[in-house]
Amino acid sequence: AQKITQTQPGMFVQEKEAVTLDCTYDTSDQSYGLFWYKQPSSGEMIFLIYQGSYDEQNATEGRYSLNFQKARKSANLVISASQLGDSAMYFCAMREGRNSGGYQKVTFGIGTKLQVIP
Amino acid sequence: SAVISQKPSRDICQRGTSLTIQCQVDSQVTMMFWYRQQPGQSLTLIATANQGSEATYESGFVIDKFPISRPNLTFSTLTVSNMSPEDSSIYLCSVEGAGGINEQFFGPGTRLTVL
Repeated sequence: AQKITQTQPGMFVQEKEAVTLDCTYDTSDQSYGLFWYKQPSSGEMIFLIYQGSYDEQNATEGRYSLNFQKARKSANLVISASQLGDSAMYFCAMREGRNSGGYQKVTFGIGTKLQVIP
Repeated sequence: SAVISQKPSRDICQRGTSLTIQCQVDSQVTMMFWYRQQPGQSLTLIATANQGSEATYESGFVIDKFPISRPNLTFSTLTVSNMSPEDSSIYLCSVEGAGGINEQFFGPGTRLTVL
């Protein structure tokens, strides 16, 4: 099964509107972390927001918020007041488990391409 | 936070040659991670490098093709050996945040094109 599922290959949003990017995950671990990254055309990975599995409050960072629904294994990213500079690829990722090397692996979804329309 | 630099930022290489990518972190870290992002794809973990031990490779990646060095706690190299056009990708170095910082930091990436 896919660890991280992003079902929206592409999304459009009008400037100044809010948009929700979907992400569901699959893990049997009790302790895990969920990330969202933005990747503009330049290729750099820009960290946006983090949600720990034990965090009771939804994470927020400025215009970004994470709608965490643990029972549904859902971690959707909400971007409020979209700006033209928000046009980019957005990746959902999960850190979980510990392997024999003792480290937690981060697995990425396939991404959603967001385009903000003026 | 961790600041990561990579060299080279991009390169165009001929089939059959090898390229070594350097990753430098501004603080000491235990684990360094190497990812590959093929064109239009997501990030895939190649291997994890722990200072003083052999790197741990993910399924589908082997040491002969992607040898890794980790000589100290701030530096690592990834070599892409005997390159083919299928190796054309962005290669990214990554480290975990320390001291309770919940972030996976990434370098700017090395954009490799193999002709």
